[in-house]
Amino acid sequence: SAVISQKPSRDICQRGTSLTIQCQVDSQVTMMFWYRQQPGQSLTLIATANQGSEATYESGFVIDKFPISRPNLTFSTLTVSNMSPEDSSIYLCSVEDRGLSGNTIYFGEGSWLTVV
Amino acid sequence: AQTVTQSQPEMSVQEAETVTLSCTYDTSENNYYLFWYKQPPSRQMILVIRQEAYKQQNATENRFSVNFQKAAKSFSLKISDSQLGDTAMYFCAFNQGGKLIFGQGTELSVKP
Repeated sequence: SAVISQKPSRDICQRGTSLTIQCQVDSQVTMMFWYRQQPGQSLTLIATANQGSEATYESGFVIDKFPISRPNLTFSTLTVSNMSPEDSSIYLCSVEDRGLSGNTIYFGEGSWLTVV
Repeated sequence: AQTVTQSQPEMSVQEAETVTLSCTYDTSENNYYLFWYKQPPSRQMILVIRQEAYKQQNATENRFSVNFQKAAKSFSLKISDSQLGDTAMYFCAFNQGGKLIFGQGTELSVKP
């Protein structure tokens, strides 16, 4: 199974600032995914991070607000820009592991951001 | 578009008893994967069990098993011999090319 490390695990951020979340995988993967979980809610996909091309964003999410980098097959970053209290959420990265026994989706530990 | 529905926002069970969490989904695809994830207070998403749609046999993982009814588009999770550590939020999810579509979750409390 893929092991995914996310940093930071928690942070308290000032309104108007930006924060970059890092996601490191212990094996090469084609696609990495970023999700947001607002308080008391389910997970919503923000974007798919593709190596060598721009990220693909879901409806309601834009690159200016959530720029994503994918410099290689094991690493990605998500930046939350110009933060407001509404951005207080858990942000999670995930990867799809296409092993011999089938496809499995694994998650990092999550980054819990509070905007004050 | 695919949708996933969990109709039980909260459930509780006595320790050592069995509980079933419900999940239904909608898709026009024939081959896909379904997952159950557990999210304890730490907020980490922990994979509980996976089901491949082309397999008729229901998946099992120790105390966890599913009842997969493809025609009815139903994917329920059964937890046997419930333990206090099973207390968590449980999410059902449909895999669409690596992207997961989640249900709204069921908060399970295991009572001593």
